[in-house]
Amino acid sequence: QVQLVQSGAEVKKPGSSVKVSCKASGGTFSSYTISWVRQAPGQGLEWMGRIIPILGIANYAQKFQGRVTITADKSTSTAYMELSSLRSEDTAVYYCALSSGPKWAWFDPWGQGTLVTVSS
Amino acid sequence: DIVMTQSPDSLAVSLGERATINCKSSQSVLYSSNNKNYLAWYQQKPGQPPKLLIYWASTRESGVPDRFSGSGSGTDFTLTISSLQAEDVAVYYCQQYYSTPAFGPGTKVDIK
Repeated sequence: QVQLVQSGAEVKKPGSSVKVSCKASGGTFSSYTISWVRQAPGQGLEWMGRIIPILGIANYAQKFQGRVTITADKSTSTAYMELSSLRSEDTAVYYCALSSGPKWAWFDPWGQGTLVTVSS
Repeated sequence: DIVMTQSPDSLAVSLGERATINCKSSQSVLYSSNNKNYLAWYQQKPGQPPKLLIYWASTRESGVPDRFSGSGSGTDFTLTISSLQAEDVAVYYCQQYYSTPAFGPGTKVDIK
């Protein structure tokens, strides 16, 4: 059973960047796809992008193109999401979530979430 | 991009009664080559990540109680909780994976 463990909460200044990690254990990392989904306070779920580690390919939601970079380190079974040019509206809980294989699919399991607070 | 909508925004149901949540996609998520609907349902409780309940519109994830069921095809889908339990109080989201993933806005379920 794969488990995803994310890095801890972050507080960032507007204009800066944040990098959140997501470490997978209990499965074959390269056979999965890792997506990043965020949830602003009291709001719904928003897909940001994904990486297919076995192919080294990342896809991004148009809204975040140019501002988000998703990478993966197969040697440590860890995925990363870096968001730049942070603004207050980026304050949210950021989740990583796993899908089986490279095709679009449902998300299961999810990481525990990482709260990113953007404040001056 | 496919846009997902849900109704109602919230509902309150008595314990033991049925709860019905609707989800609509802006275009069909039925893939004709395999006759599968690319639609999933999640449950999210406060302070927790979403939990997968159903995929392929009607396939219950392992360990999910059978009071949860999914139905529908094409653009219109329903999540039904046949007999609401106290632990079912949560927000429920639908998600299409026919193309770039998109979630519905969520439906909050409470006890009446």
